[in-house]
Amino acid sequence: AQSVTQPDIHITVSEGASLELRCNYSYGATPYLFWYVQSPGQGLQLLLKYFSGDTLVQGIKGFEAEFKRSQSSFNLRKPSVHWSDAAEYFCAVGGFNNDMRFGAGTRLTVKP
Amino acid sequence: DTAVSQTPKYLVTQMGNDKSIKCEQNLGHDTMYWYKQDSKKFLKIMFSYNNKELIINETVPNRFSPKSPDKAHLNLHINSLELGDSAVYFCASSLRLAGDEQFFGPGTRLTVL
Repeated sequence: AQSVTQPDIHITVSEGASLELRCNYSYGATPYLFWYVQSPGQGLQLLLKYFSGDTLVQGIKGFEAEFKRSQSSFNLRKPSVHWSDAAEYFCAVGGFNNDMRFGAGTRLTVKP
Repeated sequence: DTAVSQTPKYLVTQMGNDKSIKCEQNLGHDTMYWYKQDSKKFLKIMFSYNNKELIINETVPNRFSPKSPDKAHLNLHINSLELGDSAVYFCASSLRLAGDEQFFGPGTRLTVL
């Protein structure tokens, strides 16, 4: 069965600094990989997804993620963080039935 | 226009009661889901329906019963509510099964007293 690990529970970065959120997955076949963002009191919004092809995927709000099969990773990056990026970020892996498994989430705090 | 909507947004009830949460999507999607998010923000899939047919039924107490009257609706009925049922419940939908983006509703915060 697929699983996802987000090693960092909470990350604090300064506004304007770069960001990398880590995600490792376990899945027997080529995975469908997703990053979602959840603002306080809101539902989840898709940032980006990877199915196949180019291993560097671009998403909304200036985010990108790189799929590295050898490391079973799908880390999320942003070159310059804005205060509005403060939220909870979830990595997820989807299987054949799209039974999506989510990581435990990483809470991002942005310092002024 | 709201893509995935849930009602109610907040639900406070006593232990032992029966309650329902409704979900509707206007995206024309074939597949709908229910997730539970606990107090530590952990999201876990509960059920999924594809064209009104149950596809995924995780290890969920049988006090939880999903009902899909049509492709656009997936309701969640909970019998004999327990304290541990307190959580935020999210409905989601996707076009097909494998690999499609899931669109999430705003969530229903259930508090069992």
